[in-house]
Amino acid sequence: NAGVTQTPKFQVLKTGQSMTLQCAQDMNHNSMYWYRQDPGMGLRLIYYSASEGTTDKGEVPNGYNVSRLNKREFSLRLESAAPSQTSVYFCASSEEVGAASTFGSGTRLTVV
Amino acid sequence: SQQGEEDPQALSIQEGENATMNCSYKTSINNLQWYRQNSGRGLVHLILIRSNEREKHSGRLRVTLDTSKKSSSLLITASRAADTASYFCATDNTGFQKLVFGTGTRLLVSP
Repeated sequence: NAGVTQTPKFQVLKTGQSMTLQCAQDMNHNSMYWYRQDPGMGLRLIYYSASEGTTDKGEVPNGYNVSRLNKREFSLRLESAAPSQTSVYFCASSEEVGAASTFGSGTRLTVV
Repeated sequence: SQQGEEDPQALSIQEGENATMNCSYKTSINNLQWYRQNSGRGLVHLILIRSNEREKHSGRLRVTLDTSKKSSSLLITASRAADTASYFCATDNTGFQKLVFGTGTRLLVSP
């Protein structure tokens, strides 16, 4: 039972490059989330998808886009990476918004 | 910001002692959750307490909720070195439709 799987685990980008972080869950959860975690800031929500076919902005959406490809998969795209986007990114899922969440193991992204 | 706050920011205890950490939040909630994060890993859900509950237990964990004070506490009894981690509270705020995480308490349990 894999739970939430994120790829890649590590990535280094140059300023201006683009990339997509992939996330898949196998728990048949309706809701999925992307967070970023910075030292001393806790987790901040970037985007979320309450159910398949819907996406909404979270607290810090600027510079990011998301796609809920199907019920299992929720991807996060950085169109033009900036050093301020250096962070650890976590994907999570839950049965519904506000319920207990299951987290992936994270992607450590460095933008130079 | 809707973000909650944990207190203390860091806590250092010996094995066998109890650890208590607190969470304060700002708005009315549907539920409050506690998560653990080991260094470099993803968060793991520990316990969820609903707004109409006052106390909940799970193994060595005890969570209390005081909605009048907008606060919660997490008690870990008989701490072990393996409990060393960061602990976060998260609130499902009424009408806000998503979890809001606090900044966490770093717990160090020394053998």
